[in-house]
Amino acid sequence: DVKVTQSSRYLVKRTGEKVFLECVQDMDHENMFWYRQDPGLGLRLIYFSYDVKMKEKGDIPEGYSVSREKKERFSLILESASTNQTSMYLCASSPTGVGDTQYFGPGTRLTVL
Amino acid sequence: GEDVEQSLFLSVREGDSSVINCTYTDSSSTYLYWYKQEPGAGLQLLTYIFSNMDMKQDQRLTVLLNKKDKHLSLRIADTQTGDSAIYFCAEGVSYIPTFGRGTSLIVHP
Repeated sequence: DVKVTQSSRYLVKRTGEKVFLECVQDMDHENMFWYRQDPGLGLRLIYFSYDVKMKEKGDIPEGYSVSREKKERFSLILESASTNQTSMYLCASSPTGVGDTQYFGPGTRLTVL
Repeated sequence: GEDVEQSLFLSVREGDSSVINCTYTDSSSTYLYWYKQEPGAGLQLLTYIFSNMDMKQDQRLTVLLNKKDKHLSLRIADTQTGDSAIYFCAEGVSYIPTFGRGTSLIVHP
């Protein structure tokens, strides 16, 4: 069974703080993704990575950065958190191959005050 | 970019069938997926269909694909309160699927 875990289910931070969201998968998947989910907007892709140390911008990368030093771990970094980054953050992983299924973590609900 | 469209809400009575519809625009989609998201949780793959199939049945779930109209539907037979969730349609062309905005299924007694 594929397992994708995220470091926190709930997180409360203050404006201007640096925030780290961690994601770990245990199935040796090449691809990893960070999405944010907001009501009425569905899932929006922030960044993805198709290999260690490789990263690509998604649809809404502004205000975020990522790090993938090891294959199983993909971190999302908010350099200076702002209130409009309050959201549900979902991590996913998938093996290589066109159309391969994504496996999602449980999500981190981040509130920025 | 390509779009996946689905209605935002569906309300059904317990025991009835639910039909959630989705339209997509990329005719080269190889796979089409349905994901389920329960409250406070991540997305979970419910079922998928290859683009060369018309129908797939899995217990209470039936997926219908009309490639000509680029229309995908998910039918849930005998809908239960535990089926209340958000259902996302997604299409896979590359390894980055395109998701719809999700349909909130509300099941009432």
